[in-house]
Parts: sequence; structure tokens; C-alpha cells
Amino acid sequence: EVQLVESGGGLVQPGRSLRLSCAASGFIFDDYAMHWVRQAPGKGLEWVSGISWNSGSIGYADSVKGRFTISRDNAKNSLYLQMNSLRADDTALYYCAKDTTEWLLPDAFDIWGQGTMVTVSS
Amino acid sequence: QSALTQPASVSGSPGQSITISCTGTSSDIGGYNSVSWYQQHPGKAPKLMIYEVTNRPSGVSNRFSGSKSGNTASLTISGLQAEDEADYYCSSLRVFGTGTKVTVL
Repeated sequence: EVQLVESGGGLVQPGRSLRLSCAASGFIFDDYAMHWVRQAPGKGLEWVSGISWNSGSIGYADSVKGRFTISRDNAKNSLYLQMNSLRADDTALYYCAKDTTEWLLPDAFDIWGQGTMVTVSS
Repeated sequence: QSALTQPASVSGSPGQSITISCTGTSSDIGGYNSVSWYQQHPGKAPKLMIYEVTNRPSGVSNRFSGSKSGNTASLTISGLQAEDEADYYCSSLRVFGTGTKVTVL
């Protein structure tokens, strides 16, 4: 079964850090680009970051650039998101998503995890 | 980059056809064949319904179809069913639309 399972979310104070993980199974992980997409409570979807199959191409939304770092370990079939200097407006459900190709563009996300909730509050 | 513009809500009766629009610019929708559509039921993860403007992933009903004209993309749902009631998001070049709530009357 093709599956993505996120972990690492939780309650964190503003200015602190958190690292999200996404474990992939059921497909050849290093054949595809991967992304993080978030959804604030009651709001729409927002693309956060993406990484190509070989980590050679990486992109970030302007809202997280300089604070978040995406990475992947193809040997472990895992995707990561290091989130630093967290702010209240980073509060959201964070989804891990698989791309349909190995590159960041054109982008289409055909497999999604169930998400991990990040709450930034004092 | 600003979100793509979608109508907040669209409704229709069972069996009818509805169309959801998604308006961008010549820098995204108008300039590239990179338009995707996602369906999201409450409390669930999004599901890819259409990619590269017109392509349906395996397993998606052929009642769902996509098109594009200029800077506007469209998702048409024909033969509307109760299970189609959900939120729908377009996406182009990693920018999502504002979302449309589809109600089946």
C-alpha cells in the first residue's frame, strides 16, 4: 500500500524549533519529488516547500524562506522539515505529499499523508 | 505570490453538471500547462483529481474533467452525486486557489 505517515508535530512556543518527519512506503521513494503543504485551521491549502528526487532542486514559500529547511534521506525513505523561529501564523496541519514526477515542476501531488498538527502558542 | 481566485461556493442538484473556475495570470495558469485540482472532504487529506490541466489519475471518475482558456482553468463535475460534496482547490506552479465549497442540493 502506498502510504505517507507524518510525525513530529505538537505544541511549541513562538521562536522555538520543531522537526517534522514523513515516512514513505509502497513506492520507490527516490523516483519522486516530495513536498510539504500546510493548512491552517479552517483555511485553505498553502504549499510550504519541495525537494527534487536527488535533493538537487529545493524551493520554499516566501512565508517560510530562511526559517524552514527541507531535506530527504532516500536510504531511509524519509522526508523532513526543520522549522526554526516558529511564529503563531505557522500554526497548521502539515501534510507530506508525493509529486507525480522527480522534479519540482510541473507540480501535482498524487499521494498525501494524514498530516501532523503544529501549534505555535505561548 | 497571491492565491489563485476561485468562487467561494458552487451548488447543484444530483445529476446536474457544475463548473468551478480558477483564475490566475499569464505567469502561472496562462503560461504553463501546470494546473491541478484537488478534492478535500472534511477532516480528510486532499485527493488529486486532475493534473496537467486535463489528465485524470487512475481511479478518478470520468465525471471529473479539466480545461483551460487563457488565464482561467476550470473543473467540471458532470452527473453530480452526493459524494462530490467537498472543498475543491486548484493549483498552478505551487500556488493554490482560494478553494470552492461544492454543495449538492
